[in-house]
Amino acid sequence: GQNIDQPTEMTATEGAIVQINCTYQTSGFNGLFWYQQHAGEAPTFLSYNVLDGLEEKGRFSSFLSRSKGYSYLLLKELQMKDSASYLCAVRSPGGGYNKLIFGAGTRLAVHP
Amino acid sequence: NAGVTQTPKFRILKIGQSMTLQCAQDMNHNYMYWYRQDPGMGLKLIYYSVGAGITDKGEVPNGYNVSRSTTEDFPLRLELAAPSQTSVYFCASSFGTGKGYSGNTIYFGEGSWLTVV
Repeated sequence: GQNIDQPTEMTATEGAIVQINCTYQTSGFNGLFWYQQHAGEAPTFLSYNVLDGLEEKGRFSSFLSRSKGYSYLLLKELQMKDSASYLCAVRSPGGGYNKLIFGAGTRLAVHP
Repeated sequence: NAGVTQTPKFRILKIGQSMTLQCAQDMNHNYMYWYRQDPGMGLKLIYYSVGAGITDKGEVPNGYNVSRSTTEDFPLRLELAAPSQTSVYFCASSFGTGKGYSGNTIYFGEGSWLTVV
């Protein structure tokens, strides 16, 4: 079956670093996405990994290990505006196109 | 920069009523999608389209219909609304679905909050 797991909730302090983990089991792999979703808004694209290793984009970094079915999103120098849900999504081939399967999301609360 | 535009943003329906959620994109994307998101749950794919005139079912298609007469538009129709269809609906689009540059990122509309009572 297809399964993506990530923690339901996390809390962190402003200025700190937080790591959000995602593990996946899918029939095939064509890339992993991280999206940020503020309450009441649409998901917005954060990062994409298709090869093993770390991708860095400013305060956000994303890591992928395909052999372990594992990714994490690292947020540095946390700001209050980083309070949001973070969605892990895996692109998996099948059904005539490469479908995108979403995890349930991790709700991050950043406190002063 | 319109991107993906969907209407209406909020709607209350009575059980058994029908309605259409409109979606348009101006990025000349081939692929369009409709997702629903229930509280505490991930996004579930309802229907998708790989181009004008071509649509196919996703994970949760029952109770919905779609059409794709143009590249830009991808309306979602709810026939005989049921309380189980109370959800947030997101329309989305992408150029492709292969690995490519940025993995053919999916871009989302702002969402439509639908309540069936």
